[in-house]
Amino acid sequence: GENVEQHPSTLSVQEGDSAVIKCTYSDSASNYFPWYKQELGKRPQLIIDIRSNVGEKKDQRIAVTLNKTAKHFSLHITETQPEDSAVYFCAASLYGNNRLAFGKGNQVVVIP
Amino acid sequence: DAGVTQSPTHLIKTRGQQVTLRCSPKSGHDTVSWYQQALGQGPQFIFQYYEEEERQRGNFPDRFSGHQFPNYSSELNVNALLLGDSALYLCASSYGTFYNEQFFGPGTRLTVL
Repeated sequence: GENVEQHPSTLSVQEGDSAVIKCTYSDSASNYFPWYKQELGKRPQLIIDIRSNVGEKKDQRIAVTLNKTAKHFSLHITETQPEDSAVYFCAASLYGNNRLAFGKGNQVVVIP
Repeated sequence: DAGVTQSPTHLIKTRGQQVTLRCSPKSGHDTVSWYQQALGQGPQFIFQYYEEEERQRGNFPDRFSGHQFPNYSSELNVNALLLGDSALYLCASSYGTFYNEQFFGPGTRLTVL
């Protein structure tokens, strides 16, 4: 099955700086890649997703890039704010499959 | 617009017991997937229900079973509980099995003693 890995496991950034989280996947057939944000004690929330026919997608301060050849995708957060502190999970699935394979998560800490 | 809801919030059981967790999908959604999230890990797919049938299953033993009702709500049942079953159980809903966007409920924290 699909195996998703995330790096780094913990990331500390100064408020206002950018944060980048990278994920790799193993199954070249995967073509849907969502990112979830999970605050302590709360549900995972979908923040952005990308399909394999697109190389980049932006939504305000958040962007995701996809490199299908290298089988990796990245989450970019610009102008980080304290409320961006959370665990971020990447996932992958086949489009139309709805079975998400998650990475282990990245703890992002934004230092005021 | 009601989001995904789950009950109960917390549950404490002892080894060998059985447990039932419940999930109501987001309004307009008809597909429910269940995930197990161990502490410090990402969610792991258990199974998915659509049209009252189990459509996909992850690498979980038969002790894990489920059901979907005509109103699209779902139950997760775990028999013969083990200590290792202690985790946050999340349900996610989506529309059909083709569109991937899944929205998660708040989860049920299960502790097995």
